[in-house]
Amino acid sequence: SSELTQGPGVSVALGQTVRITCQGDNLKNFFATWYQQKPGQAPILVIYNENNRPSGIPDRFSGSRSGNTASLTITGAQAEDEADYYCYSRDRSGNHLVFGGGTKLTVL
Amino acid sequence: EVELVESGGGLVTPGGSLRLSCAASGFTFSNYKMHWVRQAPGKGLEWVSSISTTSIYIYYADKMRGRFTISRDNAKNSLYLQMNSLRVEDTAVYYCARDMGELDYWGQGTLVTVSS
Repeated sequence: SSELTQGPGVSVALGQTVRITCQGDNLKNFFATWYQQKPGQAPILVIYNENNRPSGIPDRFSGSRSGNTASLTITGAQAEDEADYYCYSRDRSGNHLVFGGGTKLTVL
Repeated sequence: EVELVESGGGLVTPGGSLRLSCAASGFTFSNYKMHWVRQAPGKGLEWVSSISTTSIYIYYADKMRGRFTISRDNAKNSLYLQMNSLRVEDTAVYYCARDMGELDYWGQGTLVTVSS
């Protein structure tokens, strides 16, 4: 299957750590990439190649993978981290992109 | 500064056509593979199509193949998406995005509404 599965929502207390997961068979062969999207805005790249941060992304964002599950971890969540988070990877052919359904992060 | 600006969205009736454009600036457009990604209202991101630097390699999501056509004009630093036989379920914000191994820059999107 080329599908990527994300949980619909997760909440975290301000300053605490939260993990958002993305599961799919193609993650065994291709890295996951993670985006943050706030209402009315375009997605912003936060993690690529499993655990690399673009310039400007705080180091509280990190990525990892175990088997067919990729994870985005926010260590010390801030109020501004409240957003939808999407993972994506490539399908078996490597030519098509597949997005997860997104996870809504609420910071309490 | 990298900038991607989509245009061409609007209201169209089912079965109609629309052509989206994406104007790129701040980088050497011809060196990058490009994508269209869409997002239906209140829904997640959905990959639509991609095109290689010289247009040799073109791919579509299964539900768009045969109805949508991606193209680019490197001389004009522009990406296009011709959408035909539009359906109500094609209603979405359409984003263009640059591929640097991952989609690193996205435009702000253009809204396509398919409704009678």
